[in-house]
Amino acid sequence: GPKVLQIPSHQIIDMGQMVTLNCDPVSNHLYFYWYKQILGQQMEFLVNFYNGKVMEKSKLFKDQFSVERPDGSYFTLKIQPTALEDSAVYFCASSLRWASAETLYFGSGTRLTVL
Amino acid sequence: GDSVTQTEGLVTLTEGLPVMLNCTYQSTYSPFLFWYVQHLNEAPKLLLKSFTDNKRPEHQGFHATLHKSSSSFHLQKSSAQLSDSALYYCALSRGGNYKYVFGAGTRLKVIA
Repeated sequence: GPKVLQIPSHQIIDMGQMVTLNCDPVSNHLYFYWYKQILGQQMEFLVNFYNGKVMEKSKLFKDQFSVERPDGSYFTLKIQPTALEDSAVYFCASSLRWASAETLYFGSGTRLTVL
Repeated sequence: GDSVTQTEGLVTLTEGLPVMLNCTYQSTYSPFLFWYVQHLNEAPKLLLKSFTDNKRPEHQGFHATLHKSSSSFHLQKSSAQLSDSALYYCALSRGGNYKYVFGAGTRLKVIA
């Protein structure tokens, strides 16, 4: 089936540094999402993105976060500067349409550890 | 706001026994409900989702029925297999707010 690739699978950085998480969505999908999952807790919505713009973001999407997809390349989540509470698994997802019954296709996640 | 509750964190059962994973939700609208499954070191993927016409979705022997009266969408299977061991997420999505809300997940462990 369709696959979403996330690079890297693990990332360890020092607090205060910048990190970029990369996502290669399903090729014909137009809508992109990031979710955050702290160990032992549920996945929580961060942001969705379409046509070069953020459509919605949650309160978890702090000012230090940004997303972009320059020229149809990777969909990225950048955190600058990172904080200890940013340690989590970040899941990227994509969908073909913007509809409540639409299936999301997820990547395997990037485990971010901030020291 | 919208919420999804999965009461069991871990369910352990013997191969061949029936599976039932609980999911209840709260929403002021009529949402779509989903079950996603995540096997170890893999991406979460759709297992099944609710229909608007009250059909019962089924996939890989799993089924779930949306009961609006009780706001539930429990996942069931008549006979568990070892390969069913995974993390199962219940989620909802609704019109005008196209972001999924996930439950905490239930880890199903099937033993021989």
